[in-house]
Amino acid sequence: GQQLNQSPQSMFIQEGEDVSMNCTSSSIFNTWLWYKQDPGEGPVLLIALYKAGELTSNGRLTAQFGITRKDSFLNISASIPSDVGIYFCAGQLRGSQGNLIFGKGTKLSVKP
Amino acid sequence: KAGVTQTPRYLIKTRGQQVTLSCSPISGHRSVSWYQQTPGQGLQFLFEYFSETQRNKGNFPGRFSGRQFSNSRSEMNVSTLELGDSALYLCASSSNRGGSNSPLHFGNGTRLTVT
Repeated sequence: GQQLNQSPQSMFIQEGEDVSMNCTSSSIFNTWLWYKQDPGEGPVLLIALYKAGELTSNGRLTAQFGITRKDSFLNISASIPSDVGIYFCAGQLRGSQGNLIFGKGTKLSVKP
Repeated sequence: KAGVTQTPRYLIKTRGQQVTLSCSPISGHRSVSWYQQTPGQGLQFLFEYFSETQRNKGNFPGRFSGRQFSNSRSEMNVSTLELGDSALYLCASSSNRGGSNSPLHFGNGTRLTVT
């Protein structure tokens, strides 16, 4: 079945740093989505991308839909402590209602 | 607008029992999807319902089933529970207007523990 490779698996951030993560796939997706999940809660939608090459921002977050339709990245600028959590990318094939293929997640933690 | 509501939040069952989980979508959303989240497998798609019909199904055994009511609320049922069914079960809804993809909005899940 389809798989998404999300990297890095984990990273440590210091307040004020920029953060970057990405997802790649062997399949062509119609939609790319980025979610954040905090402990004990469900994933919260951050950004949705619908067109190849699309670059979309949501506050300090910026995500892009890769031109090949097989990849996407998420950048977080000037990170703050509340950015910690697990970030998931998800891809959706055309016509596959409700069926998102998720990456394994990138865990953001604060540098000790 | 209220978000996706799932009940109960926590559930403990023993092997062989069956369980029913409930989901109320965002008002106006007619598509409801269910996912299983485990540390090993991550988030995996179970099934999707729209207008009381199952439109899409993931690769799970027949012990996992669901239904949707006329008010778009949905339930999922797991029969003959196994230890490996312990997971966070997430429900998501979308507006799915005009047949185009629309993003899924998730609830906070039901944490099922099978002993």
